[in-house]
Amino acid sequence: DIVMTQSPLSLPVTPGEPASISCRSSQSLLDSSGYNHVDWYLQKPGQSPQLLIYLGSNRASGVPDRFSGSGSGTDLTLKISRVEAEDVGVYYCMQALQIPLTFGGGTKVEIK
Amino acid sequence: EVQLVESGGGLVQPGGSLKLSCAASGVTFSGSGIHWVRQASGKGLEWVGRIRSKADSYATAYAASVKGRFTISRDDSKNTAYLQMSSLKTEDTAVYYCTRHVERSGRYFDYWGQGTLVTVSP
Repeated sequence: DIVMTQSPLSLPVTPGEPASISCRSSQSLLDSSGYNHVDWYLQKPGQSPQLLIYLGSNRASGVPDRFSGSGSGTDLTLKISRVEAEDVGVYYCMQALQIPLTFGGGTKVEIK
Repeated sequence: EVQLVESGGGLVQPGGSLKLSCAASGVTFSGSGIHWVRQASGKGLEWVGRIRSKADSYATAYAASVKGRFTISRDDSKNTAYLQMSSLKTEDTAVYYCTRHVERSGRYFDYWGQGTLVTVSP
């Protein structure tokens, strides 16, 4: 199974400041077509997870452009250019390359 | 409005069985894979299993932790998927989400249900 390791576990942020979450996989998520099969989800307090980013860097419909995904292979990153209060919650990366699908342990983003 | 609505959760004793349902509305169901993901209280997300569409022969796959005990099925005429759980263990206690899987332009979960709580306890 592919192991997904996220860091940090907790991320206190100041509104308006940038934030960055790292996700490392135990094997490359890059397929032969050059796509990174990693998604990012945000689970806001009391809600179901929602899709932010797919294929490593594609924003889902309706996701603000302050969210961006980057990286390749085993080293992926989610960045928020300017954190807003509504961005609090737990962020998860997930590898979609192979079954079983596996999630990172989550990064809790909270406002300082 | 797109909705996935899970139902069937509840309290069950260890060794017992439970069947969850996931009813979809406002979204194309029959052409999509449906996955189940669970979350124990205060913990992260864990993939449980999936069933693909008719075009992919309704292929199923399961996490090692539930293989042989859980079975996923679907009835496209009812826009509903199911998770049959048997030989339940206390560690199966979690909120269970169903989610629609897109495989056309990437592979991701675009819609999630609100979740249904399963509690396995003596």
